[in-house]
Amino acid sequence: DAGVIQSPRHEVTEMGQEVTLRCKPISGHDYLFWYRQTMMRGLELLIYFNNNVPIDDSGMPEDRFSAKMPNASFSTLKIQPSEPRDSAVYFCASRLTGEDTQYFGPGTRLTVL
Amino acid sequence: AQSVTQLGSHVSVSEGALVLLRCNYSSSVPPYLFWYVQYPNQGLQLLLKYTTGATLVKGINGFEAEFKKSETSFHLTKPSAHMSDAAEYFCAVSDILGAGSARQLTFGSGTQLTVLP
Repeated sequence: DAGVIQSPRHEVTEMGQEVTLRCKPISGHDYLFWYRQTMMRGLELLIYFNNNVPIDDSGMPEDRFSAKMPNASFSTLKIQPSEPRDSAVYFCASRLTGEDTQYFGPGTRLTVL
Repeated sequence: AQSVTQLGSHVSVSEGALVLLRCNYSSSVPPYLFWYVQYPNQGLQLLLKYTTGATLVKGINGFEAEFKKSETSFHLTKPSAHMSDAAEYFCAVSDILGAGSARQLTFGSGTQLTVLP
């Protein structure tokens, strides 16, 4: 298996622009998680899905952030409009029901100027 | 509520020396405990985990950790450090947040391990 795939790996944008991060979970995994990693706050869970349905989005920082999972093999995290404080590494992870381990993608490093 | 404390944001050891990375947790239910490693510009990779059973768990790359319930600890050790062990290490706890809820991970703040030649 190719593992969790994220794109792009790096994104540089200007404040106010829309940013879309993409994730393809491991085939067959029915849980998908979005995390944000910053120096100040460490790793934070933003939102997670089960069978494509958002279960808990309490970690989403603001209404500027939204996430979707239109099918079992694809999810997006969108920031609109982006702000410099959104600069971070965003990770996607997936897991299979009944298993304990989350598998992480390589992350997207977002820089908002 | 669950939480994880990693003592020491930076640890330096000499090559060949013992590695000890500390992790303490709090959890309202029997926890699942994990150590992940993050190499530069990469995602997190599972090193080892404790769920049930034997409290001393062995992971990849010669690492092991012991679950001590009385101390609420899950420290990571390796007898002899290699240069390739230089990375950031994250301890995480997972417990059930409510009836029918999925187990979720809460991460510690991470420990950056430097291995000196």
